Amino acid sequence: GENVEQHPSTLSVQEGDSAVIKCTYSDSASNYFPWYKQELGKGPQLIIDIRSNVGEKKDQRIAVTLNKTAKHFSLHITETQPEDSAVYFCAARVADRGSTLGRLYFGRGTQLTVWP
Amino acid sequence: GAVVSQHPSWVICKSGTSVKIECRSLDFQATTMFWYRQFPKQSLMLMATSNEGSKATYEQGVEKDKFLINHASLTLSTLTVTSAHPEDSSFYICSARQTVYLNSPLHFGNGTRLTVT
Repeated sequence: GENVEQHPSTLSVQEGDSAVIKCTYSDSASNYFPWYKQELGKGPQLIIDIRSNVGEKKDQRIAVTLNKTAKHFSLHITETQPEDSAVYFCAARVADRGSTLGRLYFGRGTQLTVWP
Repeated sequence: GAVVSQHPSWVICKSGTSVKIECRSLDFQATTMFWYRQFPKQSLMLMATSNEGSKATYEQGVEKDKFLINHASLTLSTLTVTSAHPEDSSFYICSARQTVYLNSPLHFGNGTRLTVT
């Protein structure tokens, strides 16, 4: 099955700096890549996603890039704020052959801490 | 946006009892719902895929007789932890897809913290 690797596991930045989290995937059939933010004691919240026919997507301070050839995708957060502190998960979804289930495979998560 | 409601948010039960967790899609129909388990500071582990009107598909190593899943309607799936033991204590999270189509986003509930004493 698909294997998603995520780095770094922890990331500390100063408020206002940028943060970058990187993920790689193994299955070239993966075609959808969401990013989730999970705050303590809560469920993951979808913050941005990208499909395999797009190389980059941006939503205000958050952007995601995808390199299909290298099988890696990254989350970029600019002008970080203390409220960005959370655990971020990347995920990949394989276009199931003959099925519409399309389960998500998650990375191990990155604990982002933004210091004021 | 799509909202997934999970109830209860936390529950404490005695060893040997059963606990039911509900997952509802509030403003959309969810043909497929997923149940995850998350240990502290770890990633989400998929337990089972719940399809409306049919039997759930369990991941390898997940006991289907212990974790009963029912998806009786397009807006409700339930997970029942039967004969709970302390090792079942964990954070359980459900998620739902908005449509039957493959590329619809997956939205998560806020999770249920289960503590078995």
